[in-house]
Amino acid sequence: GAVVSQHPSRVICKSGTSVKIECRSLDFQATTMFWYRQFPKQSLMLMATSNEGSKATYEQGVEKDKFLINHASLTLSTLTVTSAHPEDSSFYICSARVTGWGNTIYFGEGSWLTVV
Amino acid sequence: AQSVSQHNHHVILSEAASLELGCNYSYGGTVNLFWYVQYPGQHLQLLLKYFSGDPLVKGIKGFEAEFIKSKFSFNLRKPSVQWSDTAEYFCAVNARSGNTPLVFGKGTRLSVIA
Repeated sequence: GAVVSQHPSRVICKSGTSVKIECRSLDFQATTMFWYRQFPKQSLMLMATSNEGSKATYEQGVEKDKFLINHASLTLSTLTVTSAHPEDSSFYICSARVTGWGNTIYFGEGSWLTVV
Repeated sequence: AQSVSQHNHHVILSEAASLELGCNYSYGGTVNLFWYVQYPGQHLQLLLKYFSGDPLVKGIKGFEAEFIKSKFSFNLRKPSVQWSDTAEYFCAVNARSGNTPLVFGKGTRLSVIA
């Protein structure tokens, strides 16, 4: 199946700093990628929809100035958590829609962010 | 907007028991349906998906799901579970038309005991 890779898988950062998470589709092009957040023992919550070459669409309640999403190419989307705080500590997961192969969505491995 | 309801928060089964996890969705249009599994410490993996055609879908690792349109349901089944099936299972749906993200249920934790 299609492969989506996220990096880093785990990151610890100090409060007030920014951290970037990358999401790459390794063997296919993805015009659309999605970013989710998963709190412990809870379901995935959609944060934003990232479309290649245009601005991301954020879900209600998600601060777009805090969670910067860039989708500069058909194989890479990045999520930057700016001025991170401990409450931003979470599991962030990206997914990519396989363009032209129907509607299947594949997920990255996820990134554990811990803000100390 | 779509919504997904998974009725069981935590299911505990003995090995070789049969499994059925409920999933109901709410949406007025045509949908695609998915089941994902997340093993402890690992990422989400696609178990199976339904787009159209035969409503009984077979997936990996012996799992299957049946789409019952009249009940807006897409329950996941496995005739005989193994200890290695211990994981979190997520039902998800998206609208067939347009470029829509998945909407997830809250997940069901399955614990299989020896």
